[in-house]
Amino acid sequence: GQNIDQPTEMTATEGAIVQINCTYQTSGFNGLFWYQQHAGEAPTFLSYNVLDGLEEKGRFSSFLSRSKGYSYLLLKELQMKDSASYLCAVQDSNYQLIWGAGTKLIIKP
Amino acid sequence: SQTIHQWPATLVQPVGSPLSLECTVEGTSNPNLYWYRQAAGRGLQLLFYSVGIGQISSEVPQNLSASRPQDRQFILSSKKLLLSDSGFYLCAWSVTPEGGNTIYFGEGSWLTVV
Repeated sequence: GQNIDQPTEMTATEGAIVQINCTYQTSGFNGLFWYQQHAGEAPTFLSYNVLDGLEEKGRFSSFLSRSKGYSYLLLKELQMKDSASYLCAVQDSNYQLIWGAGTKLIIKP
Repeated sequence: SQTIHQWPATLVQPVGSPLSLECTVEGTSNPNLYWYRQAAGRGLQLLFYSVGIGQISSEVPQNLSASRPQDRQFILSSKKLLLSDSGFYLCAWSVTPEGGNTIYFGEGSWLTVV
């Protein structure tokens, strides 16, 4: 079966760095996505990785290792507005998205 | 630029009543369209997707249906709602560029069945 695993909840301190991990087992691989979802709102696109390595976008970076079935989202200089759920999703061989349940990130002052 | 809108934003419906959620996309042609549901504290569940007018694929058996009467319009319906239909419903769109099939979501519709 197809499976995406990510921690249910994480807590970090304002100004710090946090890494949210995602491991996957899917039928084929055509890219991995990270989305941010604030409580009560729709998810918004953060990043897309299809090749191994690190993609950096300002305070957010996303890493992919296809051989390990592993990705992480790295958030630097955390701000209170970063409190949200972070969703990992993998595009399988049919270009369908398989979604993780999301990681709720709590930022403390 | 492309935009997506869905409505209504919130609704409270009695068990057994009908449902109609609408979604429209602007600024793109022939998009892939999706309906997702997100139950409280849970992940996204794909309900329907469409690659063109009148072409609907259903991912899970349920009492919901979807229709695509126009290229950029997607409608989610039910004839008789169940309590278990409560949740956050999201319409989404994508195209299929070489760089990946990034999905963009509408604002979402909160449905409470009472």
